[in-house]
Amino acid sequence: SQQGEEDPQALSIQEGENATMNCSYKTSINNLQWYRQNSGRGLVHLILIRSNEREKHSGRLRVTLDTSKKSSSLLITASRAADTASYFCATEPLSNAGGTSYGKLTFGQGTILTVHP
Amino acid sequence: DAGVIQSPRHEVTEMGQEVTLRCKPISGHDYLFWYRQTMMRGLELLIYFNNNVPIDDSGMPEDRFSAKMPNASFSTLKIQPSEPRDSAVYFCASSLYLYSNQPQHFGDGTRLSIL
Repeated sequence: SQQGEEDPQALSIQEGENATMNCSYKTSINNLQWYRQNSGRGLVHLILIRSNEREKHSGRLRVTLDTSKKSSSLLITASRAADTASYFCATEPLSNAGGTSYGKLTFGQGTILTVHP
Repeated sequence: DAGVIQSPRHEVTEMGQEVTLRCKPISGHDYLFWYRQTMMRGLELLIYFNNNVPIDDSGMPEDRFSAKMPNASFSTLKIQPSEPRDSAVYFCASSLYLYSNQPQHFGDGTRLSIL
């Protein structure tokens, strides 16, 4: 089963509005990452938040992490038509003693964001 | 800088044929990952390598799938024999390990259709 579950599955907004996507996960994590995927392309990394961080900003992006609730949110402010894409959260599990879980990301099913001009 | 390069971008072949997907990671990256994306199952990690050595292949669906990394700049994912249910988009990604908390860089994928 997917570790990360995004909500909502689809979001449709007008240009200039804010878009908020949520992600829930089940196990202890080392970090949580958000990726964007445009149609027919590979995933592009947006932002990474470590387990000891609560909030992070990058341009128009704001990510929060609540490890007690095992949830994260991605906020895109002042959205643009070019932000239309699928957005995925991915979790990296807390490393085991051998460190072999490094990089073993588990992705959610994604949120499809449509921004209308 | 060149990103992760995958070839071919599209592959259409008949059931039972051998399929080979190729990946060139970003130069200097220590880790290479193979993923499969379908509507039903989303994005699944198949296998990943560290310094050309397979670390975890628990996501490989069955023995028909195999992956190799003969050197730091090249990896292949092979399906033999292929089946219609293998139809999916296959992604390769690479990352740099200095310490943990590194993003993965994805190629644009190979869209595989098995008839």
